[in-house]
Formats: sequence, structure tokens, C-alpha cells
Amino acid sequence: KAGVTQTPRYLIKTRGQQVTLSCSPISGHRSVSWYQQTPGQGLQFLFEYFSETQRNKGNFPGRFSGRQFSNSRSEMNVSTLELGDSALYLCASSSSRASYGYTFGSGTRLTVV
Amino acid sequence: QQQVKQSPQSLIVQKGGISIINCAYENTAFDYFPWYQQFPGKGPALLIAIRPDVSEKKEGRFTISFNKSAKQFSLHIMDSQPGDSATYFCAARREGNTPLVFGKGTRLSVIA
Repeated sequence: KAGVTQTPRYLIKTRGQQVTLSCSPISGHRSVSWYQQTPGQGLQFLFEYFSETQRNKGNFPGRFSGRQFSNSRSEMNVSTLELGDSALYLCASSSSRASYGYTFGSGTRLTVV
Repeated sequence: QQQVKQSPQSLIVQKGGISIINCAYENTAFDYFPWYQQFPGKGPALLIAIRPDVSEKKEGRFTISFNKSAKQFSLHIMDSQPGDSATYFCAARREGNTPLVFGKGTRLSVIA
């Protein structure tokens, strides 16, 4: 069974640009959550999508947005990038029945210069 | 406000020793407490989890101890091995479709 796939693995962007990250969940999983991981703050929750609807949202500015498609694949977008957005962005999927069990992808390492 | 406080930030243990990582929480509505293990270049992977109706859960060399009255839980790694060297995160979640909240992590180094 394939795991959670995140693309790209690495990304370098310039301040002010925007970026889109992609996540393909485990087949059959309908929930996708996004987390930002930084050395100082650990894992911070961004948002969760379930069946194409945003179910939960963390405390991040509106520059951070996401969406989920009918095949459960999800994307997150960050507009007007700031240096502080440099982080590892992790996607986790879970099934609707076992929603306590998160499976994480390997993440996208975003560097803003 | 940090909902789950984890300590220590880093830990060095001799091979064969016991590694102990502690977490404390405030929200009594939390009903699920997992531990995740993360190796460099990888995402966190679920290691072991516990619900508040039990005080201890063991899986192989890994044990969670849970103290509901103190609102604390801990991870014990028995017979620690160099391959256990990783960052460990505790987490907690309320009942229902709510997100996991994580501690800030403990970097464990097991030296021979």
C-alpha cells in the first residue's frame, strides 16, 4: 500500500512569491491535514480537509490556504512568501473510520530567500 | 499557549539504558495521546498511543505511562539502541474531529 506522497520534496522561493505544495493521501483516506514544522515551534497545525471541505483550521494568516479535490488529493498554497515561512510542510492522511491514526508524508522542505 | 509541554528538549542515553521522555497537558478534554518518532528526512511515524482509561501500554521496548490526575504521560524506551536515535513527539487530541496538538519534540541520541 503506497504511503502519503508529497511533492516536491524541496523548494526554494524568493520573498513575495507564492508556492503550491501537493499531497496525495493513502488510497481510501479521506482526511488530509497539513502541519508546519520548524525547529523553534515544532509541529503547528495549519488545516484539515475532509471530503473536499475544510473541517479545521489552525492559527495561521490568510496567506496560507488549501483545498482538497474529489480524489482526496490536497494542495496548500502560500502567497506573498516571507522568510519566516521557511519550514518543513507535512501532510498527514487518515481514514474516516480511524481518524485518530495519522500517517505522515516525508514533507516538503520550503526555503524562502 | 502551548497545549502540550514536552521535556527534555534533548537526551543522550547509553546503549542498553532506559530513555524517558515526559509530557504534560492542561486540557482535560484530551482523550487520545500518541507518540511519534521522526528520523531525519522523514515525516513523523506513529509509535504507540494510549487512551486515558488505562495507566500503561507496552509495545515491545516502548511503554507509555499515563497519569490522569497529574495530567502527565511519558514514553519509556527500554534497552535503548543506536537505531532509536531520532526525534520523539508527544501529542494529544480531543474527542471528535479535532486536530492533533504536538509537543515540541525531544531529540534522542543513543550512544554505544
